[in-house]
Amino acid sequence: EAEVAQSPRYKITEKSQAVAFWCDPISGHATLYWYRQILGQGPELLVQFQDESVVDDSQLPKDRFSAERLKGVDSTLKIQPAELGDSAMYLCASSPQGGGVTEAFFGQGTRLTVV
Amino acid sequence: AQSVAQPEDQVNVAEGNPLTVKCTYSVSGNPYLFWYVQYPNRGLQFLLKYITGDNLVKGSYGFEAEFNKSQTSFHLKKPSALVSDSALYFCAVRALVTGNKLTFGGGTRVLVKP
Repeated sequence: EAEVAQSPRYKITEKSQAVAFWCDPISGHATLYWYRQILGQGPELLVQFQDESVVDDSQLPKDRFSAERLKGVDSTLKIQPAELGDSAMYLCASSPQGGGVTEAFFGQGTRLTVV
Repeated sequence: AQSVAQPEDQVNVAEGNPLTVKCTYSVSGNPYLFWYVQYPNRGLQFLLKYITGDNLVKGSYGFEAEFNKSQTSFHLKKPSALVSDSALYFCAVRALVTGNKLTFGGGTRVLVKP
């Protein structure tokens, strides 16, 4: 069964350092989402891609966060510099083209701890 | 703008009793509604969805949900809860008019006691 792959699963970094997360969506899925989830809360959308184009990054803290999906396949989310408040689970999800009626499929997430 | 509200932070239920997790939404246009479940340190698993048609939809693990357009609700139900149903449940909404943005509620923790 096809899955969304994320790495690393866990990351500990010191504040002010740079950190990057990687996501490989299900093959053929045009829509890719990055979410941030603080423990015990709902996922908050950071950025949504349609192929290689950003369609929504209104909640992405652009002074420190960046995201790319250069070839419209896998994606990288970067934080530089990391702050203590960035500690959270970062989830990647993907949907097929025009994915309104098809559910999004989630990866296992990357748990980030900033110390 | 679109939003989802899950008014209960936690629901406690005895094993074998019916389980209900509440969800209301706000969106322009026709909503696509989803329920997901999350176990500790894991991603979200899809349970069921409403797109169109019958207001009662059935999903995985014996869960079902009822879409009510007039009340803008999409409550999740299970007739007989199991201890293994204890987890975090999220309701989500999507709409074509908002570019398929997928918005989640704050989540409801379900605790099923033996």
